[in-house]
Amino acid sequence: DSGVTQTPKHLITATGQRVTLRCSPRSGDLSVYWYQQSLDQGLQFLIHYYNGEERAKGNILERFSAQQFPDLHSELNLSSLELGDSALYFCASSTPRGGVYNEQFFGPGTRLTVL
Amino acid sequence: DAKTTQPTSMDCAEGRAANLPCNHSTISGNEYVYWYRQIHSQGPQYIIHGLKNNETNEMASLIITEDRKSSTLILPHATLRDTAVYYCIPIQGAQKLVFGQGTRLTINP
Repeated sequence: DSGVTQTPKHLITATGQRVTLRCSPRSGDLSVYWYQQSLDQGLQFLIHYYNGEERAKGNILERFSAQQFPDLHSELNLSSLELGDSALYFCASSTPRGGVYNEQFFGPGTRLTVL
Repeated sequence: DAKTTQPTSMDCAEGRAANLPCNHSTISGNEYVYWYRQIHSQGPQYIIHGLKNNETNEMASLIITEDRKSSTLILPHATLRDTAVYYCIPIQGAQKLVFGQGTRLTINP
């Protein structure tokens, strides 16, 4: 158990719909990262938040957005869903120590199926 | 980001040492080498990281060549539960992880 929780575990929805994925980082971790894993693209970085502020963006579609709340949990919002958005979505958390990058701890993921 | 080259797949007998190589010849001086693994559809799991010295923890050992252009992850006594995809990732700072194709390691009984 990494200490990172994600809900829901599974999500099935239809094209055109909007969903929200939730991530609670490990206690004390300030950074949250979101990754998408699809069969044809592998694990891809989407976005990074640190203590409520967006720090980096990867290959995140404009239909997707995220935020990190004051209690440090994060939500990834996916709208106007397409079949190709079906994937595993992982979040990870970490906290820098003395400015040095340290390991990311991943949650169990949310499996999104768009029908 | 430094590019990495890893074997697509490897096999190892249970109880033997599994040695997973990674080539990262374009790594920059302040990039650490991180290793993660992903057991089928689970969230990736951190294993170990190093800069230039060899490192060991309860999971594995990491050997980095003196020129830092390659490294080897060693699982000293592989078990069936070590069957996973292993990723070698050079990284600097609190940056995103860039996952390549990794090595699919199969531990055989």
